[in-house]
Amino acid sequence: GEQVEQLPSILRVQEGSSASINCSYEDSASNYFPWYKQEPGENPKLIIDIRSNMERKQIQELIVLLDKKAKRFSLHITDTQPGDSAMYFCAARSTNAYKVIFGKGTHLHVLP
Amino acid sequence: DMKVTQMPRYLIKRMGENVLLECGQDMSHETMYWYRQDPGLGLQLIYISYDVDSNSEGDIPKGYRVSRKKREHFSLILDSAKTNQTSVYFCASSSGSANSDYTFGSGTRLLVI
Repeated sequence: GEQVEQLPSILRVQEGSSASINCSYEDSASNYFPWYKQEPGENPKLIIDIRSNMERKQIQELIVLLDKKAKRFSLHITDTQPGDSAMYFCAARSTNAYKVIFGKGTHLHVLP
Repeated sequence: DMKVTQMPRYLIKRMGENVLLECGQDMSHETMYWYRQDPGLGLQLIYISYDVDSNSEGDIPKGYRVSRKKREHFSLILDSAKTNQTSVYFCASSSGSANSDYTFGSGTRLLVI
């Protein structure tokens, strides 16, 4: 199994509130989990990642949680701003794997 | 500044014409990829290249072929383009190590009419 499921597909939040995106993976050998942000008309860009030896990682307003037992990981954006509106992709990669498996994306809308 | 460069940025072709999408990277990455992105379908892997002349089909290779004669260049070819190949195509590269992420190009927006 190489699927990565990502939910929700569309997320609308009020400016200043938190946004959460959840992903699950099937391959128990997955050990690297990057998150990409894609703004309209642009390419996906890495914003944060977490490796399997960690359970939590934070970069400014971005928090990533990893539950290896449940094979789930999530992105939390605290104090959302209009500039956070974008498409977000989660992904998973296994040791010795040459590719990451992407989720189908979450379109985040931060409402003023 | 390390980057992946895609050419052209926009392209309009007629059905049945041949299409060549070019991608270059300056990071000496071994592994390169071609994806297409369509609304609601996310990023779909077309082909992966492990190094020069070492290519492998991805999840949706039908209708496409690739060429990698130099490590820094990876081309995607559509022989006889079809209207359902209208999409945004992204090239990416990776060092291939276990915990490395992708660097994406800016994308080529292809319209087949």
